[in-house]
Amino acid sequence: DAKTTQPTSMDCAEGRAANLPCNHSTISGNEYVYWYRQIHSQGPQYIIHGLKNNETNEMASLIITEDRKSSTLILPHATLRDTAVYYCIVRVGGGADGLTFGKGTHLIIQP
Amino acid sequence: ETGVTQTPRHLVMGMTNKKSLKCEQHLGHNAMYWYKQSAKKPLELMFVYNFKEQTENNSVPSRFSPECPNSSHLFLHLHTLQPEDSALYLCASSQVKMGLAGGLADTQYFGPGTRLTVL
Repeated sequence: DAKTTQPTSMDCAEGRAANLPCNHSTISGNEYVYWYRQIHSQGPQYIIHGLKNNETNEMASLIITEDRKSSTLILPHATLRDTAVYYCIVRVGGGADGLTFGKGTHLIIQP
Repeated sequence: ETGVTQTPRHLVMGMTNKKSLKCEQHLGHNAMYWYKQSAKKPLELMFVYNFKEQTENNSVPSRFSPECPNSSHLFLHLHTLQPEDSALYLCASSQVKMGLAGGLADTQYFGPGTRLTVL
């Protein structure tokens, strides 16, 4: 699976959009971009995934650049409960392979 | 609620004890996973079961023994653990399937974890 690079930490004001970047310059054509988050000492929570088109669901939007070398997770109206570590994972998937978690981005929502 | 439950949520055990962690998924998935998360470290994959067959053992010591009696249940049997085995143990499940563009897409859903302390 391709390696990803994320900032260690980010702050965002409550009510504003939180934009979390991820670089994955070695991504291959059949690899998906997945985003998970982990609130302190809980199990990781799936947020969204995409292949090449932008995706939106009830939690977030995922913007993938045309060359697929980077992506941005957008939480449109951040709340205090969005404070968590956010993980960007690139993988082919589907073959019962484990997820490779890096250190992720610690997003802190400020009141 | 993700549809994956784990029991117990907290466990304290001595080094000579034998205990088991249980995971159950209510999602109809065909693959299940055990992960370990030690303090201030990323999650590490331990075991993978696909259609009840173990397909991956990520160099885990033999004092951890997984069991998958059916596609909905996964156990992790623990014996003669060490204090450094204290960690959050997470179970996940997914449905193996084909996706777009010839690639494969699946989503793993995690349980809440078992916080294990070995004294």
